[in-house]
Amino acid sequence: DTGVSQDPRHKITKRGQNVTFRCDPISEHNRLYWYRQTLGQGPEFLTYFQNEAQLEKSRLLSNRFSAERPKGSFSTLEIQRTEQGDSAMYLCASSTNNQPQHFGDGTRLSIL
Amino acid sequence: KQEVTQIPAALSVPEGENLVLNCSFTDSAIYNLQWFRQDPGKGLTSLLLIQSSQREQTSGRLNASLDKSSGRSTLYIAASQPGDSATYLCAVRRDQGGKLIFGQGTELSVKP
Repeated sequence: DTGVSQDPRHKITKRGQNVTFRCDPISEHNRLYWYRQTLGQGPEFLTYFQNEAQLEKSRLLSNRFSAERPKGSFSTLEIQRTEQGDSAMYLCASSTNNQPQHFGDGTRLSIL
Repeated sequence: KQEVTQIPAALSVPEGENLVLNCSFTDSAIYNLQWFRQDPGKGLTSLLLIQSSQREQTSGRLNASLDKSSGRSTLYIAASQPGDSATYLCAVRRDQGGKLIFGQGTELSVKP
């Protein structure tokens, strides 16, 4: 069990740039979740996939955000035209059906 | 709309003390409740998961209880150690699918 892997661990970018994060779930897990966490707060749900199908999206996921999970394996989260308010830790988790979610170490995004 | 609250926001105790962390939620229609630990700059590690039909779960020095009707859960840590210092988060899941809704966490510091 290699765990959930996220890349990169840290991303610093200028406001207005596009960024893309990658998440590799535990191999047999069919569900994949994205959360966002700001300092001093608990994670907030963004979206989740079952296999390649995106089943739910939060209202937090503005039209600048897009997530994909081609072939039901790894997932990418892209943020276009980044804003200061996008600075946060982006966490990925995976699970099988109703089993506990396993989290990666996250990607910390800093917008200059 | 489900809301999860954790009290206190921060707690500092001397080593060896027993302590209780509190979590409350507004909608009792939950599928399960999970307690996590988060070390600085890291992802979340699952500690205990309580199904909605259960009253408590135990793992080592940790005991979590659930009172669904009153919308409360507690995490009891016995004989605290400096290595227990971390942020503790509780999260509820509404259905089999789905997303976790988190509290804002309790930051615990155990002094040697």
